[in-house]
Amino acid sequence: NAGVTQTPKFRVLKTGQSMTLLCAQDMNHEYMYWYRQDPGMGLRLIHYSVGEGTTAKGEVPDGYNVSRLKKQNFLLGLESAAPSQTSVYFCASSYTGDTQYFGPGTRLTVL
Amino acid sequence: DQQVKQNSPSLSVQEGRISILNCDYTNSMFDYFLWYKKYPAEGPTFLISISSIKDKNEDGRFTVFLNKSAKHLSLHIVPSQPGDSAVYFCAASEGGSNYKLTFGKGTLLTVNP
Repeated sequence: NAGVTQTPKFRVLKTGQSMTLLCAQDMNHEYMYWYRQDPGMGLRLIHYSVGEGTTAKGEVPDGYNVSRLKKQNFLLGLESAAPSQTSVYFCASSYTGDTQYFGPGTRLTVL
Repeated sequence: DQQVKQNSPSLSVQEGRISILNCDYTNSMFDYFLWYKKYPAEGPTFLISISSIKDKNEDGRFTVFLNKSAKHLSLHIVPSQPGDSAVYFCAASEGGSNYKLTFGKGTLLTVNP
């Protein structure tokens, strides 16, 4: 039982490049979330999903897209990376929608 | 507009003493509150929660108090240990069909041996 895993752990991109962050959970949770954490800003919700095939915008969705084709996976895409997207990205999942369980994070640097 | 506020960016406590971390909220629709602990280079881990129908919840050394009229909650750690040194996030949920958490900015707790 691995819980929530994130791939990759680290990534460096150049401005304008694209990439996809993968989140996987093996707890059969319905709800999944993508957050970013920046110094002094806490955790801000980017997008979330309340079930397979659904997605919704969070607090800071601009510049990101997501997909939830399978219940256990939630993908976060950056189509054209910008330096402002340099951050630590956390995925989380939840059974009830309140208590959320987080992955270890992906540290992304955009040059 | 910050709906969940942790006004102390940092707190330093001696080992064995009590640590009190505070959190205020403005949204009266919040009915479930959580504390998360985060070590450097790791994801946040769930610590303890409280429903708005209670005013206190205990789990070992950790106790969360909720004062709904003041829209204030606090996390007490007794006794504090060096391994408790981490960033603590307060979070709140509206419940119902709202499946999102709103987080505070966090408080860095340092427990000195």
